[in-house]
Amino acid sequence: DIQMTQSPSSLSASVGDRVTITCRASQSISSYLNWYQKKPGKAPKLLIYAASSLQSGVPSRFSGSGSATDFTLTISSLQPEDFATYYCQQSYSIPLTFGGGTKVEIK
Amino acid sequence: EVQLVESGGGLVKPGGSLRLSCAASGFTFSSYSMNWVRQAPGKGLEWVSSISSSSSYIYYADSVKGRFTISRDNAKNALYLQMNSLRAEDTAVYYCARGAPGDQQAFDIWGQGTMVTVSS
Repeated sequence: DIQMTQSPSSLSASVGDRVTITCRASQSISSYLNWYQKKPGKAPKLLIYAASSLQSGVPSRFSGSGSATDFTLTISSLQPEDFATYYCQQSYSIPLTFGGGTKVEIK
Repeated sequence: EVQLVESGGGLVKPGGSLRLSCAASGFTFSSYSMNWVRQAPGKGLEWVSSISSSSSYIYYADSVKGRFTISRDNAKNALYLQMNSLRAEDTAVYYCARGAPGDQQAFDIWGQGTMVTVSS
């Protein structure tokens, strides 16, 4: 199974900050990497697919980069509605696996 | 409006069974793969099972293999998850999610989730 490791597990940031979350795969997954936002009591929301493609309707302050084993999600200017938990997910092989999540909290 | 609505969750005793349903609307259901993903209380997201558009390909996480069965009825725009031999560790919110077009298999549309609690 491919293990997905996110860092940090949590971070505190202020509105307007640039935030970067990293995700590392235990083996190469090419660009089969997706990012989701999860808020308590809400369904997860797809933000980025194929490592760097912005899902329709997602604000352009979200961006993704990386390939093979190392990936990054960047929020260029953190907004109040962005405080949530973010998950990476590999779709390269079964079983599909998620990272442990990164909780973005208000400083 | 593209929508997925889960139902069928509830409280069940260990060893019991439950059948979850997911009603799809607003898109051509028969053209998309579908998935179940769960989140245990205070934990992260966990993929459970996937089914291709025509049910030709079915996959399960090792944690549920042999106990859970995914199925779909394209005529009814419905996805199902039959859960047998339930364990306390199956307690979670269960989400159905649509597989995005293409080979990336991202989950682009999610339902609101249904809670399954396994407890005596």
